[in-house]
Amino acid sequence: AQSVTQPDIHITVSEGASLELRCNYSYGATPYLFWYVQSPGQGLQLLLKYFSGDTLVQGIKGFEAEFKRSQSSFNLRKPSVHWSDAAEYFCAVVRNTGGFKTIFGAGTRLFVKA
Amino acid sequence: GAGVSQSPRYKVAKRGQDVALRCDPISGHVSLFWYQQALGQGPEFLTYFQNEAQLDKSGLPSDRFFAERPEGSVSTLKIQRTQQEDSAVYLCASSLVNAKRAGNTIYFGEGSWLTVV
Repeated sequence: AQSVTQPDIHITVSEGASLELRCNYSYGATPYLFWYVQSPGQGLQLLLKYFSGDTLVQGIKGFEAEFKRSQSSFNLRKPSVHWSDAAEYFCAVVRNTGGFKTIFGAGTRLFVKA
Repeated sequence: GAGVSQSPRYKVAKRGQDVALRCDPISGHVSLFWYQQALGQGPEFLTYFQNEAQLDKSGLPSDRFFAERPEGSVSTLKIQRTQQEDSAVYLCASSLVNAKRAGNTIYFGEGSWLTVV
């Protein structure tokens, strides 16, 4: 069965510092990979997605993610964090053989300190 | 509408009460999903509709949960005889195309927050 692991329950970074949120997946082949952000009381917003091709994917709000097949990872990065980035971040996968269920990780809560 | 709309946004139900949660997907979207998100957890798949057909309901936790989309647009998730463990955010999402075309973008609503007391 597919699974998604986000090892960090919460992370605190200073405003202006760089950010990396970790994500590992378990699946027999390379699935489709996603990062979503959820602000308090809000729905999920898609930050970026990886289907194939270039392993470095650019997303909205200055985020990027790198797919590493050898490590089954899809870590999210941002060079300089803004206070408005404080939210919950979810890594997710969808099976690439006609699947439609999105499997989410448990999430990483990002705190930004001034 | 411009996005996926869910109602009510907040619902407090007494244990044993029936509740109905409504989802208005983006106009023209073929696929509709329901997810359950417990506090501190990621969303978990409940069920999927392609137009009016419920193609997968494997995630529904018990026979107290029932979902329908009779005309292929608005969907309702009904929970009968609510229990405390049903307390969660129920997220609806939709996508334009057949979700078997895996990887197509899905759009989430803001969720219905259910608290069972």
